[in-house]
Amino acid sequence: EVQLVESGGGLVQPGGSLRLSCAASGFTFSSYWMSWVRQAPGKGLEWVANIKQDGSEKYYVDSVKGRFTISRDNAKNSLYLQMNSLRAEDTAVYYCARLGTGHGMDVWGQGTTVTVSS
Amino acid sequence: EIVLTQSPATLSLSPGERATLSCRASQSVSSYLAWYQQKPGQAPRLLIYDASNRATGIPARFSGSGSGTDFTLTISSLEPEDFAVYYCQQRSNWPPLYTFGQGTKLEIK
Repeated sequence: EVQLVESGGGLVQPGGSLRLSCAASGFTFSSYWMSWVRQAPGKGLEWVANIKQDGSEKYYVDSVKGRFTISRDNAKNSLYLQMNSLRAEDTAVYYCARLGTGHGMDVWGQGTTVTVSS
Repeated sequence: EIVLTQSPATLSLSPGERATLSCRASQSVSSYLAWYQQKPGQAPRLLIYDASNRATGIPARFSGSGSGTDFTLTISSLEPEDFAVYYCQQRSNWPPLYTFGQGTKLEIK
């Protein structure tokens, strides 16, 4: 079964850091671009970052540039999101997603919740 | 930055009716347009990619059309399980940056 499972969410103070993980199974992880997408409480979806199959290219939404870093370990079938200098507006459910061959995100995890609050 | 505007914000229909959801881009996105369905407490599900291609396992009542700046998701005959929020999403040519529309809530009338 093709599956993505996120972990690492939690409560963190403003200015703090958190590292999210996403474990992939059931497909050849190293063959796919991967993404992080977030959803603030009661709001819509927001793309956060992408990473190429070999990790050589990474792209971010402007609001997280310089604070978040996407990375992957193909040997461990894992995707990561290092989040630094967290702000209240980063509070959201964070999903990892696979970018399919047709430019859509065709596999999603169940999400992990990040709350930034003092 | 390409902005996607979805309309209407809320669509109230009955089971068996036809639903037409619109997504307009602030500039041409070629055919790199996808549609997702999201139900409360669940992750989004890919319905349509590249404007008109149904994703694996998606029923034939879902169809997508359009190109350039105007796109449409049509549900030919609504089933009870179709009532949800729908998002469009585009990918820019290069670099590959993604944006989502603000969503259309499809509710039971």
